[in-house]
Amino acid sequence: DSGVTQTPKHLITATGQRVTLRCSPRSGDLSVYWYQQSLDQGLQFLIQYYNGEERAKGNILERFSAQQFPDLHSELNLSSLELGDSALYFCASSNPGQGALETQYFGPGTRLLVL
Amino acid sequence: DQQVKQNSPSLSVQEGRISILNCDYTNSMFDYFLWYKKYPAEGPTFLISISSIKDKNEDGRFTVFLNKSAKHLSLHIVPSQPGDSAVYFCAASPSGNTPLVFGKGTRLSVIA
Repeated sequence: DSGVTQTPKHLITATGQRVTLRCSPRSGDLSVYWYQQSLDQGLQFLIQYYNGEERAKGNILERFSAQQFPDLHSELNLSSLELGDSALYFCASSNPGQGALETQYFGPGTRLLVL
Repeated sequence: DQQVKQNSPSLSVQEGRISILNCDYTNSMFDYFLWYKKYPAEGPTFLISISSIKDKNEDGRFTVFLNKSAKHLSLHIVPSQPGDSAVYFCAASPSGNTPLVFGKGTRLSVIA
């Protein structure tokens, strides 16, 4: 158990809908990262938050947004869903205080299926 | 443009033998490298890491080797066990507190 929790574990929805994925980082971790894993693809970085502020953006679509709340949990909002958004969405957290050897610990993921 | 490449999609090894998983990268700014193991329906689990100031890091049965001039790293598992069967991802970043760039993974099967 990495200490990172994600809900829900599975989500089935229809095209055009909007969903929210939730992530609770490990205790004490200030950084939260979101990654997407599509079929036959490696993990693609979407967005990073550090202590409530957006820190880095990757290949995140404009239909997607995220935020990190004062209690450090994060939510990833996916709207106007398309079939191609079906994927595994992982959250990872880290403690930058570890310095250069900081490790990202991953949650179990949310499997999203858009029908 | 794939900055981290794992050219072998799969690898099959006999139990007790050595498993060697390879990873190449193109971005010379990468300074920190990690290996993750992933079982189906689970999130990636951190295995071992290495920073660019080292060329080897060992943790139990797992050893990671880094060749900066060749932009190549490898993960050695000795001895391999059936429970090691999983997908292994290589990842890299330019520094701490930055996003990881992942390879597409190598599926390791350890045969009893």
